[in-house]
Amino acid sequence: EAGVTQFPSHSVIEKGQTVTLRCDPISGHDNLYWYRRVMGKEIKFLLHFVKESKQDESGMPNNRFLAERTGGTYSTLKVQPAELEDSGVYFCAGRGLFYEQYFGPGTRLTVT
Amino acid sequence: RKEVEQDPGPFNVPEGATVAFNCTYSNSASQSFFWYRQDCRKEPKLLMSVYSSGNEDGRFTAQLNRASQYISLLIRDSKLSDSATYLCVADRGSNSSASKIIFGSGTRLSIRP
Repeated sequence: EAGVTQFPSHSVIEKGQTVTLRCDPISGHDNLYWYRRVMGKEIKFLLHFVKESKQDESGMPNNRFLAERTGGTYSTLKVQPAELEDSGVYFCAGRGLFYEQYFGPGTRLTVT
Repeated sequence: RKEVEQDPGPFNVPEGATVAFNCTYSNSASQSFFWYRQDCRKEPKLLMSVYSSGNEDGRFTAQLNRASQYISLLIRDSKLSDSATYLCVADRGSNSSASKIIFGSGTRLSIRP
């Protein structure tokens, strides 16, 4: 069974630019989550999709972040315009039958 | 106060030692609990779920005390390959599709030969 994939693995952009991160969860995982880990801090929840619907987006930092999951398969997370404090590792995860999470390898975003 | 608290470590123990990690959570609405392992610059991977009755998987034993809102992980006969950061996770979700997952900041473990 293929695991969760994320693209790109690394992204270096300048402040003010736009970046779009992509996550492909394990097939059949209706629940998809986005997380962010800023250096030196714990992993923080950003939002939760159930299929194509946003179930909980209370963790999104501000309106520069936009997540979508059209068709309920892959998801994208766009940051526009990026700021320095957006740097970090962005993980997505799908939820299994027993509420366990299957994480992708993450996208390391650096905003300069 | 953080909703899920862990001792950050690092724990530096010799190979073969037994090591115990503790974690406390403050939100009594939390329903499910997990230990994840995260290697350097990698994604978290599920180590084990934690049940009130306690559960064991080989050298690993996890315990949950709901009254004290306390979770533990015990590693026996530690191996060099156990070196990693161990994340305590609480999930407020129950049987609904809503869940709010809170991660502890992780406990670093280093096993020395």
